[in-house]
Amino acid sequence: NAGVTQTPKFQVLKTGQSMTLQCAQDMNHEYMSWYRQDPGMGLRLIHYSVGAGITDQGEVPNGYNVSRSTTEDFPLRLLSAAPSQTSVYFCASSNLGADTQYFGPGTRLTVL
Amino acid sequence: DQQVKQNSPSLSVQEGRISILNCDYTNSMFDYFLWYKKYPAEGPTFLISISSIKDKNEDGRFTVFLNKSAKHLSLHIVPSQPGDSAVYFCAAFPGAQKLVFGQGTRLTINP
Repeated sequence: NAGVTQTPKFQVLKTGQSMTLQCAQDMNHEYMSWYRQDPGMGLRLIHYSVGAGITDQGEVPNGYNVSRSTTEDFPLRLLSAAPSQTSVYFCASSNLGADTQYFGPGTRLTVL
Repeated sequence: DQQVKQNSPSLSVQEGRISILNCDYTNSMFDYFLWYKKYPAEGPTFLISISSIKDKNEDGRFTVFLNKSAKHLSLHIVPSQPGDSAVYFCAAFPGAQKLVFGQGTRLTINP
């Protein structure tokens, strides 16, 4: 049972480039979400999904897209990276109705 | 607007002593809170939670206290151990699966 996995662990992008951060979970959780962690800001919710085909915006969704075609996968897309998107990104999952979320190890993204 | 605030960015405590981490919230509708622990290069992991119907919850060396009138909660770790050195996040669970996190407090336990 791998839990929540994220790839890549590290990524450097130039302004304007696009990329996809991958997230997968093997716990059959309906709920998946993406957070970003910035110094002095804690973790802030970007997008979330309550099941395949259903996504919604969190607190800081601008500049990011998501889709959920399967229960297991929840990729986060940056269409045109900006330096303000330099951050550590965490994916999390849980059963619907559960308060405890399980987090992946994170992706550290730098946008130059 | 930070609805959950951890005003101490860092805390240093001697091994064996008590560590007290504080958290304040502004939204009186919040009625369930969690603490997460995060080691470097890892994701946060759940530590302990408390519902507003209680004012205290214990799990081994960890105790969380909730003061609803003051909109304040605290995490006590007794006795503190070197492995407790980590960043601790307080979070409110307002429902709909969402978590609202504080800024985090970096705890360092000195031998």
